[in-house]
Amino acid sequence: KQEVTQIPAALSVPEGENLVLNCSFTDSAIYNLQWFRQDPGKGLTSLLLIQSSQREQTSGRLNASLDKSSGRSTLYIAASQPGDSATYLCAVSTGNQFYFGTGTSLTVIP
Amino acid sequence: DAGVIQSPRHEVTEMGQEVTLRCKPISGHNSLFWYRQTMMRGLELLIYFNNNVPIDDSGMPEDRFSAKMPNASFSTLKIQPSEPRDSAVYFCASRRGGVETQYFGPGTRLLVL
Repeated sequence: KQEVTQIPAALSVPEGENLVLNCSFTDSAIYNLQWFRQDPGKGLTSLLLIQSSQREQTSGRLNASLDKSSGRSTLYIAASQPGDSATYLCAVSTGNQFYFGTGTSLTVIP
Repeated sequence: DAGVIQSPRHEVTEMGQEVTLRCKPISGHNSLFWYRQTMMRGLELLIYFNNNVPIDDSGMPEDRFSAKMPNASFSTLKIQPSEPRDSAVYFCASRRGGVETQYFGPGTRLLVL
């Protein structure tokens, strides 16, 4: 069974700092990997989706990379802002199944 | 578009009662997913529909849980009888095509006393 791990579980950084969130998965046979943001008491908002054939995707200050062979993905957030404070989850798709990590809780301190 | 719509947003019920959660996917999306999120287990996929047909229900915890999708614009997740351990946030998500991103609803917070 696919297992998805996110490290660290929590991260606190000062405003303006660049940061990297990590996601690892045990089975490299994936269709795609997706990064989500979840605000307290809210649903998940998709940030970036990387197909298995792709190496990275960028959206604004966010850049996600995928190394399928090593079972790793990173989410890079540039020039962090207090509004970036949320829980970030990665999810891998193996076709009909979707596996989520437990998330990294990010706090950006003004 | 209004996004994925879920109702109710909050539900408090007593053990043994029937609970029905509802979801309206985004128009034009042909896949629908039901998830459960708890502190202990994180986000788990319960069941997945494609073109209104259940494709994979291996995540449904037990026979007390059932899900239906009678048409492309409506799905229900029913728990009968409910138990305190069913307390969680239940999310519905939809997507278009096989490789598109999933769009999540706001969730239903269920508390079973």
